[in-house]
Amino acid sequence: GESVGLHLPTLSVQEGDNSIINCAYSNSASDYFIWYKQESGKGPQFIIDIRSNMDKRQGQRVTVLLNKTVKHLSLQIAATQPGDSAVYFCAEVSGGGADGLTFGKGTHLIIQP
Amino acid sequence: ETGVTQTPRHLVMGMTNKKSLKCEQHLGHNAMYWYKQSAKKPLELMFVYNFKEQTENNSVPSRFSPECPNSSHLFLHLHTLQPEDSALYLCASSQDRVPGELFFGEGSRLTVL
Repeated sequence: GESVGLHLPTLSVQEGDNSIINCAYSNSASDYFIWYKQESGKGPQFIIDIRSNMDKRQGQRVTVLLNKTVKHLSLQIAATQPGDSAVYFCAEVSGGGADGLTFGKGTHLIIQP
Repeated sequence: ETGVTQTPRHLVMGMTNKKSLKCEQHLGHNAMYWYKQSAKKPLELMFVYNFKEQTENNSVPSRFSPECPNSSHLFLHLHTLQPEDSALYLCASSQDRVPGELFFGEGSRLTVL
């Protein structure tokens, strides 16, 4: 079936560098995407979202890019800090208005000092 | 603090026990959700409640029984569970049935012996 997935399970970056976390989705009907961050021992936390009529959206230190042509979503984190260490999930909502989100497996971001 | 509180945070139970997980949200949201999070698997939607009415049961075994007495409280009753049911159970809420931003609790870590 169609699913949301992530390219890499673990990403290690140096503190201060920029991080890019990727996500591939296969449901072309998806019209809304969200990135969540889950720190150890905590529940997922909303970071940023984007609708399918947009290509880019910026938040504080984070940018989400959406490429509908290749069904690819990415999360860019600028000047990565130790507090950014977490698992990052992308999630999609299809145009049918699902009662929940379809989540990917997650990418574990590790910050090297 | 996300405004969604789950208790207990940790639970160990035998396969013949009956226990319940509790979730309370202080955000005035109308929709509440139960998700299951297992190691190396995406978040799995279990149940959705909208205005206290169950709107989705995602093929969850009957040994999991949800209850939503009001829009602020959600329970997950557990009975004769199996070891493979050990996981982190996350409660979430959103303003509307079709989630924009889901607010998650910190989860209840369940271990079935």
